[in-house]
Amino acid sequence: DAGVIQSPRHEVTEMGQEVTLRCKPISGHNSLFWYRQTMMRGLELLIYFNNNVPIDDSGMPEDRFSAKMPNASFSTLKIQPSEPRDSAVYFCASRSGLAGGGEQFFGPGTRLTVL
Amino acid sequence: DQQVKQNSPSLSVQEGRISILNCDYTNSMFDYFLWYKKYPAEGPTFLISISSIKDKNEDGRFTVFLNKSAKHLSLHIVPSQPGDSAVYFCAAMYNNNDMRFGAGTRLTVKP
Repeated sequence: DAGVIQSPRHEVTEMGQEVTLRCKPISGHNSLFWYRQTMMRGLELLIYFNNNVPIDDSGMPEDRFSAKMPNASFSTLKIQPSEPRDSAVYFCASRSGLAGGGEQFFGPGTRLTVL
Repeated sequence: DQQVKQNSPSLSVQEGRISILNCDYTNSMFDYFLWYKKYPAEGPTFLISISSIKDKNEDGRFTVFLNKSAKHLSLHIVPSQPGDSAVYFCAAMYNNNDMRFGAGTRLTVKP
């Protein structure tokens, strides 16, 4: 299994541009999570999906952020327009959703730099 | 609102000694706790977990202790090895829902 796949691994863009981050969860996992890692706040949950349906998006910082999961094997996190304070590492994680506190499997992350 | 807190941003330990990483939480509804380890340029990887019905779980050199009354858990690594040098994240969840992470503690194990 290739694990959780994220693309791109690095993204450098200018303020005001649209940024789209992509994630392919592990096959068979039915929960998908988007996190943002910053020095100050560590890992913050932005949004998560169960069976492709957004369950909790209370962590999405602003309306500039949106996430979609059109099918079980693909999700996107979009920032429009991007701002320098959005610079961070964005992780996608997936989980099988079995009862009993299943662990999450993380992708390698996308390092976003907004100039 | 930081429901999971790791108050020590960094910890340095000599090889062979014990490393103790601490974590506090505020939400008494949390019923499952996990520790993740993260190397640079990689995603976090699961290390060890504990259910709220237990107070200790051991896996090789790693032991997690849970003190529910104090809303505190700790990760003990003994003996520490240079390869253990990484950032350790504490995480908590309830009812098999989303997970809340602490800010992480950077552990450095010196040879």
